[in-house]
Amino acid sequence: NAGVTQTPKFRVLKTGQSMTLLCAQDMNHEYMYWYRQDPGMGLRLIHYSVGEGTTAKGEVPDGYNVSRLKKQNFLLGLESAAPSQTSVYFCASSYSGRIQETQYFGPGTRLLVL
Amino acid sequence: GESVGLHLPTLSVQEGDNSIINCAYSNSASDYFIWYKQESGKGPQFIIDIRSNMDKRQGQRVTVLLNKTVKHLSLQIAATQPGDSAVYFCAETPNNYGQNFVFGPGTRLSVLP
Repeated sequence: NAGVTQTPKFRVLKTGQSMTLLCAQDMNHEYMYWYRQDPGMGLRLIHYSVGEGTTAKGEVPDGYNVSRLKKQNFLLGLESAAPSQTSVYFCASSYSGRIQETQYFGPGTRLLVL
Repeated sequence: GESVGLHLPTLSVQEGDNSIINCAYSNSASDYFIWYKQESGKGPQFIIDIRSNMDKRQGQRVTVLLNKTVKHLSLQIAATQPGDSAVYFCAETPNNYGQNFVFGPGTRLSVLP
């Protein structure tokens, strides 16, 4: 049982390049989330999904797209990276969307946009 | 290492002492609160939670206190150990949905030998 895994762990992009971050969970969770974490700030929700085939915007969705084609995977895409997207990205999953359901976080992807 | 926490407040405690980490929240309608622990290079990990109808909740070596009057949350760690060194942050939500959490920036706890 690996929990929540993220690929890659670290990436450097040039402004304008695109990339996809992959999140996978093996806990059969319905809900999945993408957050970004910036120095001195709390986690901020980018997008989330309440089940396979569904996605919704969070607090800071601009510049990102997501897809949930399979229940176990949640992809975060950057179509044209900008330096403001330099951050640490965390994926999380939970069994349901109820607040009492613990969100399990992946180890993070550190992204540097030059 | 991670760039997270470069500007975070830091709390240094001696091994074996008790630690108290504080969190102020702004939304008086917040109903549910969580404390997370984040070790260097890792994702956040759930520690303990509390509902707004409670003032105190205890776990294993940890206690969370909630003061709704001044909108203040604290995490107490008893007999702090080197493995407790991490960034601790709180999260709050005013409703029943996991996508509405507001996360604090956190406090870095350093345990001195």
